[in-house]
Amino acid sequence: AQSVAQPEDQVNVAEGNPLTVKCTYSVSGNPYLFWYVQYPNRGLQFLLKYITGDNLVKGSYGFEAEFNKSQTSFHLKKPSALVSDSALYFCAVRDISGTGANNLFFGTGTRLTVIP
Amino acid sequence: GAVVSQHPSRVICKSGTSVKIECRSLDFQATTMFWYRQFPKQSLMLMATSNEGSKATYEQGVEKDKFLINHASLTLSTLTVTSAHPEDSSFYICSATPGRYSNQPQHFGDGTRLSIL
Repeated sequence: AQSVAQPEDQVNVAEGNPLTVKCTYSVSGNPYLFWYVQYPNRGLQFLLKYITGDNLVKGSYGFEAEFNKSQTSFHLKKPSALVSDSALYFCAVRDISGTGANNLFFGTGTRLTVIP
Repeated sequence: GAVVSQHPSRVICKSGTSVKIECRSLDFQATTMFWYRQFPKQSLMLMATSNEGSKATYEQGVEKDKFLINHASLTLSTLTVTSAHPEDSSFYICSATPGRYSNQPQHFGDGTRLSIL
C-alpha cells in the first residue's frame, strides 16, 4: 500500500521568511515523489519531482525539496516566501513497483498563506 | 512544456442532464489520462484511469455507468456524467502523462466545476 501524509492543513509564513511544507510517504518499493501547487479554481501545476540521484531537488518558482529516505520525507522548501506563493500544495507519490504504476497518490494538501 | 486543456471550465445545469467534459493533450500524446474528483477543501480522488483504445479502469466505488469515459485518440479523453444529480456537483480534473514512463509528472487540466441544480 502507498500513502502520503501532509501533517499540516495550514501553514502561515511572513513574506521574505523561509517556508517549509511537510510531506511524509509510505510505499512498499522505491518512490517517485512529486510536489504540485493549486491556485483557486485551477488544476494542479507541477513544481518538482524526485526520481533518483541528488536528495535535494530544485524546481519551479524557486522551490526545492529534500528527499530523506530514512525519515521517508519529502519536505517542500523555499528560502524566501512571496505573497504570490499563497496557494494549496499537494505532495504525491508513485510506487513504481506496483501495478498501475502511473497512478499518483496525493496527500490531503497544505494551504500556504504568505503574510505581507 | 506539456499542456493539457480541459473544457468546459464551468457547467451549471438541471438535475437529470448528462454532461460531457473533454480533456486534451495539446502538444504531446497521452496513452493514459486520469480523471479526478475534488471536493471542497479536500484532496484529489482518482476516479478512473483512461487508456487509449481500451476500456477505462475505475477505482473502487466509482460507478462506471454513471461516469462514462472514452479515450478514442492519443490526445483526447472524455468524461460524461450521465443523468447528473446534485450530489455529482464537484470539481473534476483530468491529467495526462507524456509517454509510458512513470517517472514523468502528470500534467493537469484547469478543471471543470460542475454544479447540478
